[in-house]
Amino acid sequence: GENVEQHPSTLSVQEGDSAVIKCTYSDSASNYFPWYKQELGKGPQLIIDIRSNVGEKKDQRIAVTLNKTAKHFSLHITETQPEDSAVYFCAASVSGNQFYFGTGTSLTVIP
Amino acid sequence: DAGVIQSPRHEVTEMGQEVTLRCKPISGHNSLFWYRQTMMRGLELLIYFNNNVPIDDSGMPEDRFSAKMPNASFSTLKIQPSEPRDSAVYFCASTRSANYGYTFGSGTRLTVV
Repeated sequence: GENVEQHPSTLSVQEGDSAVIKCTYSDSASNYFPWYKQELGKGPQLIIDIRSNVGEKKDQRIAVTLNKTAKHFSLHITETQPEDSAVYFCAASVSGNQFYFGTGTSLTVIP
Repeated sequence: DAGVIQSPRHEVTEMGQEVTLRCKPISGHNSLFWYRQTMMRGLELLIYFNNNVPIDDSGMPEDRFSAKMPNASFSTLKIQPSEPRDSAVYFCASTRSANYGYTFGSGTRLTVV
């Protein structure tokens, strides 16, 4: 089955700096890659997603890039703010229904 | 849209007792998923349903776990008998179709003592 690896497991940045989280996947048939943000005591929330026919997608301060050849995708957060502090999960979907999640990155934005 | 609704939010039970977790998916979503989250293992898919039919239950850890979806608006995850190692946060999620992101509920924090 699909195997998704996520790095780093923890990340601390100064407010205003950029944060980058990277994921790799194993199954070249994966075609949908969502990113989730989980705040303390809450369920994961979808923040951005990308499909395999697109190389990059942006939504305000958040962007995701996908390299199908290398089988990796990344989340970029620019101009970080304290409210960006959370755990971020990447995921990959092969069948379209079942997602395989990375192990999470705990992001801390230092004011 | 009230989102995915899970109950209870917290459950503390004694080892050996039966536990039932409940989920109401978003109206119109035809796929429902049960996940378990722990520090050690992260997010684990337990089972998912399409159109109320269980599709893949290979993630259900043992026969002590069972899940049902009697209709499009309700699902249960039951653990009988419960054990301390079942302590975790259990999430329900739903989606309208393949290749769309899930919407997660707020989770049920289960503690088995």
